[in-house]
Amino acid sequence: DTGVSQNPRHKITKRGQNVTFRCDPISEHNRLYWYRQTLGQGPEFLTYFQNEAQLEKSRLLSDRFSAERPKGSFSTLEIQRTEQGDSAMYLCASSSRSDTEAFFGQGTRLTVV
Amino acid sequence: AQKITQTQPGMFVQEKEAVTLDCTYDTSDQSYGLFWYKQPSSGEMIFLIYQGSYDEQNATEGRYSLNFQKARKSANLVISASQLGDSAMYFCAMNTNNAGNMLTFGGGTRLMVKP
Repeated sequence: DTGVSQNPRHKITKRGQNVTFRCDPISEHNRLYWYRQTLGQGPEFLTYFQNEAQLEKSRLLSDRFSAERPKGSFSTLEIQRTEQGDSAMYLCASSSRSDTEAFFGQGTRLTVV
Repeated sequence: AQKITQTQPGMFVQEKEAVTLDCTYDTSDQSYGLFWYKQPSSGEMIFLIYQGSYDEQNATEGRYSLNFQKARKSANLVISASQLGDSAMYFCAMNTNNAGNMLTFGGGTRLMVKP
C-alpha cells in the first residue's frame, strides 16, 4: 500500500495519559498536514510541515499538543494530559509541491475515558 | 478569516439521478481555492475536484462538476448519474493565498443514494 498510513487506527486512553500518533506520508511527498475531526464536524487544521520544518503551528489546540517530523519523513502528533474533549479522529495528509490536493490517511480515532 | 457553510446536513437521491450539494464561502482574499472531498464510512478523505478563484471555467472531473458562482460566493458540487457507492459524507473546503492544503472545511453533507 503506497498511501498515507496512520497508526494506530484506534486508541483508547484514560484521562490524564499521554498519547502519540504516527503518520507515514506517501514517500515522495514533502508536505504533511495534521487535522482533527470531531463527530459530525468537518476536519479542523492543526499543523503543517514542509520537509522537517514546522511552518504553521499556531492552530494547535493548546500547549498540550505537539508535532514533530524529525527527518522529513514520518510525523508524530503527541497529546499530553489527555482530556475527554480530545476524543476525536486525527487525520494526517500529505502532498508534493506540485499537487493541488492532499492525500489523506484513514485516521486515528482517539477515545479518552 | 475564511468560512465554509454547507446548509444541507443530509440529502437523498435516487440512483442514476443527478444531485447538487450546496457550499457557500466567505473570505476577503482575492486568491483562493475551493475543494470538495468525499468521506466514506471507512474514514479517509478522498479528493474529488478543485476550483481556483481565477479559473474562468467550472471544473469538471468525470461525474463531478463544480458550479462556481464567484459573485455569490458559492461552489456547489454536482454529481451526475448517482451510484450507490456515492453514499458518503461530502465536505467543501477552501484555502487562501496559495496556502497549499491548510484547508478550512465546512460541516459536511451526508448523501444517501437510494436504489
